Amino acid sequence: DARVTQTPRHKVTEMGQEVTMRCQPILGHNTVFWYRQTMMQGLELLAYFRNRAPLDDSGMPKDRFSAEMPDATLATLKIQPSEPRDSAVYFCASVVRTSGIYEQYFGPGTRLTVT
Amino acid sequence: KNQVEQSPQSLIILEGKNCTLQCNYTVSPFSNLRWYKQDTGRGPVSLTIMTFSENTKSNGRYTATLDADTKQSSLHITASQLSDSASYICVVTRGTGGFKTIFGAGTRLFVKA
Repeated sequence: DARVTQTPRHKVTEMGQEVTMRCQPILGHNTVFWYRQTMMQGLELLAYFRNRAPLDDSGMPKDRFSAEMPDATLATLKIQPSEPRDSAVYFCASVVRTSGIYEQYFGPGTRLTVT
Repeated sequence: KNQVEQSPQSLIILEGKNCTLQCNYTVSPFSNLRWYKQDTGRGPVSLTIMTFSENTKSNGRYTATLDADTKQSSLHITASQLSDSASYICVVTRGTGGFKTIFGAGTRLFVKA
């Protein structure tokens, strides 16, 4: 049963600290998305990669957020320095194209709390 | 402005009853519309996806409809179960290439015994 995995599942950190979230996409999926979900904003697209190359990161605050995909089995989202307003659940999703339609498979999320 | 609006915000129904969730969108150009189910503490899971030419699609007890003329979609849940308690999110993808998706805020459904 192929799944997207994310680590850590929960992270509590103090303002100003660096946070790194990791995502392992489903093997063979070459596109990875990063989303952020809050009660106020709902789901927001932060960035996405195809074949490890960034395609769109316009939804991501550039001054403190960075996303990379060093290889086909790992995507990372880093926040440095973290702020309380970054508290949210961060999801990654791996994507496969079937019959011209892109289908997203979401990971379980990383719940980040910045105090 | 490209927007997706869902109603109601939340809904409480008794187990065994049917319900219908609404999604109105102003996204243009339109590519496809998805309904996701998100259980508490988990990532969204796709229920249905419809393109412009499709006006209904079923997945078990879930039936989605799409009226591309009025830009409305609905998700009908038949014979609800306690496990249907979740958030249901409507997502519209723009037909501009890439992954230009607009998310609705979701409807929170509570099914009571």
